[in-house]
Amino acid sequence: AQSVSQHNHHVILSEAASLELGCNYSYGGTVNLFWYVQYPGQHLQLLLKYFSGDPLVKGIKGFEAEFIKSKFSFNLRKPSVQWSDTAEYFCAVITNRDDKIIFGKGTRLHILP
Amino acid sequence: EAQVTQNPRYLITVTGKKLTVTCSQNMNHEYMSWYRQDPGLGLRQIYYSMNVEVTDKGDVPEGYKVSRKEKRNFPLILESPSPNQTSLYFCASSPLQGRSPLHFGNGTRLTVT
Repeated sequence: AQSVSQHNHHVILSEAASLELGCNYSYGGTVNLFWYVQYPGQHLQLLLKYFSGDPLVKGIKGFEAEFIKSKFSFNLRKPSVQWSDTAEYFCAVITNRDDKIIFGKGTRLHILP
Repeated sequence: EAQVTQNPRYLITVTGKKLTVTCSQNMNHEYMSWYRQDPGLGLRQIYYSMNVEVTDKGDVPEGYKVSRKEKRNFPLILESPSPNQTSLYFCASSPLQGRSPLHFGNGTRLTVT
C-alpha cells in the first residue's frame, strides 16, 4: 500500500537556523505532492504543491520543496526560520493509482526565539 | 469569502448521546471528506464523498456516519459516541479528488466522557 513517511516527529531549532523536513513516499508511478502547515490551534493550510514541471517548487512564507523522483522524496526547506514558523507540517501524496490523498503523520516544528 | 465552515468548534458530550458535526463549503466543490487528528497518528480519513449521494468509507469509519444530500453540506454523525472518539475533527473539500489541494475547515474538538 502507498504510504508517506515523515522522518522527524519533533524538530526544535533556533531562529535563523536552516530547516529541512524529510518526506518520502512509497509509490513508483505518477504523484502529486503537497506540504500543509497547521499553526497552533488552527486548521491545515496549503504551503506548496508539486504537480509537474520544475521539481523545485516555491511556496508561501519563504518555503520551498524539491521533488527527487529517484529518491521518492519531497523534502521541505527554508533557509532561515522564524519564531512564527512554529507549527506542525504535513506532507501529503496523491497517486495516479486511486486519486486518494495520503498524509504523513506530521512533524512538529518548534522555533526558539 | 471561500471557506469550509464547521460547527461547533468545541463539543463536550457523554457516552451514547448522539451528535452531529456540520460542515458546509461555499466553493461548489464536488469532493468532501472528514478526518480525525490524534497525536502521533496524523490525519486519518473517516469518510469521503465524491458528489451528492455518493459517500465512501475512509480508513477509520467505524462509529461514524455521513450523508451528502446537498453539494455544499457533509455532516458527520456519531450515533453513539464513545471516549475513543475524543479527537480533533476536520472537514475538507476540493474541486476534484486527487488533482487539487484540500481546503480545510477550522476543526471541531470533541470530548466524549
